Amino acid sequence: QVQLQESGPGLVKPSQTLSLTCSVSGESITSDYYYWTWIRQSAGKGLEWIGRFYSTGTTNYNPSLKSRVTISIDTSKNHFSLRLTSVTAADSAVYYCATEDLQMSTFNYWGQGTLVAVSP
Amino acid sequence: ETVLTQSPATLSLSPGETATLSCGASQRVSNNYVAWFQQKPGLAPRLLMYDASSRVSGTPDRFSGRGSGTDFTLTISRLEPEDFAVYYCQQYGSSPWTFGQGTKVEI
Repeated sequence: QVQLQESGPGLVKPSQTLSLTCSVSGESITSDYYYWTWIRQSAGKGLEWIGRFYSTGTTNYNPSLKSRVTISIDTSKNHFSLRLTSVTAADSAVYYCATEDLQMSTFNYWGQGTLVAVSP
Repeated sequence: ETVLTQSPATLSLSPGETATLSCGASQRVSNNYVAWFQQKPGLAPRLLMYDASSRVSGTPDRFSGRGSGTDFTLTISRLEPEDFAVYYCQQYGSSPWTFGQGTKVEI
């Protein structure tokens, strides 16, 4: 059973960088079974896939965010991270980390989510 | 990107009734790669179905999915009190993966 837990600041100022971490337990971050994924949910845009990281180092991002997003892993801490630059109010959302299972090809484990507000 | 449109937005039903939720795609979803999620207030979405009709372990058999191409359906038979929630479809046939806007099943 994989368990995920997001952490990071709940408030970010406009134009700054949003940084979140997802701590993983029950599975190695170097596992071949999952893509490590970030998804966000806002009242305005609903659920939005942000991107994913695979153990080979491959990353895939939503084209709508690609110029501002970086997803990376830290094997020493068994966690993965999201970095979103130049944020605006439109980036205010609940951010979830999740696993994309390679067999089912969809999101089978989710963190509880963390609310991030972008405001001066 | 593939836009998913769910209907209806809200479904008002009673326990014991059957819910039929629709998900339409703006283009054909390859391999019928559609998943369904259930979300309750304050919680993360929970995966129920994948590949349009396959139940995830732990999903009750009163949940069934069908569809192909651009039209997909989730049916919940004999609604239980714990089934009242918001349901989302999601496609993973073409990147970027996208979600529908949700159908709320309310009492």
